[in-house]
Order: sequence, then C-alpha cells, then structure tokens
Amino acid sequence: DSGVTQTPKHLITATGQRVTLRCSPRSGDLSVYWYQQSLDQGLQFLIQYYNGEERAKGNILERFSAQQFPDLHSELNLSSLELGDSALYFCASSVGGRAGRETQYFGPGTRLLVL
Amino acid sequence: DAKTTQPPSMDCAEGRAANLPCNHSTISGNEYVYWYRQIHSQGPQYIIHGLKNNETNEMASLIITEDRKSSTLILPHATLRDTAVYYCIVPGEDSNYQLIWGAGTKLIIKP
Repeated sequence: DSGVTQTPKHLITATGQRVTLRCSPRSGDLSVYWYQQSLDQGLQFLIQYYNGEERAKGNILERFSAQQFPDLHSELNLSSLELGDSALYFCASSVGGRAGRETQYFGPGTRLLVL
Repeated sequence: DAKTTQPPSMDCAEGRAANLPCNHSTISGNEYVYWYRQIHSQGPQYIIHGLKNNETNEMASLIITEDRKSSTLILPHATLRDTAVYYCIVPGEDSNYQLIWGAGTKLIIKP
C-alpha cells in the first residue's frame, strides 16, 4: 500500500459526458501528479501540482483540467469524453516539487471506460 | 521520448537472479536513473534509483557503469510475484525533470 488513494476504481460513462477523478496523496506529500495509461502503453504524464499550484504540464488535452485543494487532495476533470479517453488514470505523490529528484508513490488507478 | 532503451521482454527462472539491462547513453552528469515496476495494471511501484554509485535496498540492486551510459537492475532471487513490466527512467531537463515512461521490459518469472 503506497498511501495514495484514488476514487473511483472504475468508471463507465458515455461519449460527451464529464467525469471527475479524485486523488489523496500520502500524508506529508505536497506534490500530486496525474498520468494516463492507454491499453498496453506506457504512462503519459499529464500534469503536476505542488502545494496547490500548477508546477508542470505534459500532454494534457484542453478538455482535461485539474486542481489541487488546500487539503492537498487533487481532482482531474475530464470533459466532452471521447472513446479514445478510455484508459487507466494514475495519480502519484511526492514530498516536494522536484519531479525528477524525488520518489513518486502511485495510487491504484481509476479505470475509465467511455462507451 | 524516453531517454532509455530496454529489451521488450525477458524470462528468468524462479530463484535465480534476474538482470535487467538499460541503456541511457545520452544521460548527463546530474541526471538520476530510476527504476519502477508495474504488476499487471496496478499502480507503478518504485524500486530503486541512483546517480553514479551502485545502490542496494531490500528489493534490488542497481549497477551503474562508470561512464553512466548504462545500468543493470538485479533482483537477486526472483519469485513468481516479480513478474511485471520494469521501467528504467532518466528524468531530463528537457522534460522539466518529469518521468518519461518508455515501454519497459516485460519480465516473466518461470517456475
């Protein structure tokens, strides 16, 4: 158990809909990262938040947005969903804001299926 | 693009040492090498990382060549539960130090 929690575990929705994925980091961690993993692909970095502020952006679509709240949990919002958005979405956390200098701890993921 | 090259798959007998190679010939002097693994579709799990010295922890050992252009992850006594995809990652300045994930090595431990 990494200490990172994600809800829900599974999500099934229709094209055009909007969903919200939630992540709670490990106690004491200030950074939250979001990743997308499509079938049999490597993880794609989407976005990083550090202590409530956006720190870095990766290949995140304009239809996707995220935020980190004062209690440090984070939400990833996916809107106007398309079939190709079906994937595993992972959240990770680390102590500070230096992505490549700190160990990231991953949650169990949310499996999204868009029909 | 990932800055590392790994074989797509490897087999290892249960109880033997599993040696997973990684090539990172363009690594710069202050970039770390990280290893994670992903069992089935679970969240990736951190294994070990290093800069230039060899490292060991309760899970594995990491051997980095003197020129730092390649490294080897060693699982000393592989078990069936070590079957997973193993990722070697070099976070680089060009990616704002984010983790850029390649395809990894699918390690299959055979009884």
